[in-house]
Amino acid sequence: QSVLTQPPSASGTPGQRVTISCSGSSSNIGSHTVNWYQQLPGAAPKLLIYSNNQWASGVPDRFSGSRSGTSASLAISGLQSEDEADYYCAAWDESLNGLVFGGGTKLTVL
Amino acid sequence: EVQLVQSGAEVKKPGESLKISCEASGYSFNTHWIGWVRQRPGKGLEWMGIFYPGDSDTRYSPSFRGQVTLSADKSINTAYLQWSSLKASDTAMYYCARRVVLTASAYFYDYWGQGTLVTVSS
Repeated sequence: QSVLTQPPSASGTPGQRVTISCSGSSSNIGSHTVNWYQQLPGAAPKLLIYSNNQWASGVPDRFSGSRSGTSASLAISGLQSEDEADYYCAAWDESLNGLVFGGGTKLTVL
Repeated sequence: EVQLVQSGAEVKKPGESLKISCEASGYSFNTHWIGWVRQRPGKGLEWMGIFYPGDSDTRYSPSFRGQVTLSADKSINTAYLQWSSLKASDTAMYYCARRVVLTASAYFYDYWGQGTLVTVSS
């Protein structure tokens, strides 16, 4: 079990808006910023969102991040087939003194 | 252009040692932490630890402390991940990534290597 909890899967049709949640605790999301990574099939992870809601270089503004309390979410609007990938949230954990990832959410574009 | 280029795939037997590399270019190697992440086949990302080339400061995930060693050679801008005795359970893709620190509570990995596949099988 991952320290950060994400739904294992999400789906949507082209053009739709999809949201992926990431639930943690006061020792991680509650006290450190959240980052989101996209991993396309067969590729290395790529930074999407850092510091809860900042776009990494080159990331379209269809992607947006937010944090509230001990939870965070990634929203993807105007869904495109190229968005089909695994998405991971991550945050530093004070108790474990290490970086923790969510278990990942596999996004399918129907 | 920032790049992290990792060494090629490895096939090893249980009990063997291994050292994989991550060569950095396009930025000041000494002033950025390098992190390592494991991804077992079909599984999620696991943080292993980080290494600061400037002063060799090293932090390990509790899950990996004592199992691997992180190091670097500043003269050739290369970070290393090594095992002294591999197990079948070490079979995975291993990624290096550059860590950026914004504040004491805000950091992220902005550039990633392409990954090194390590297969451990008898």
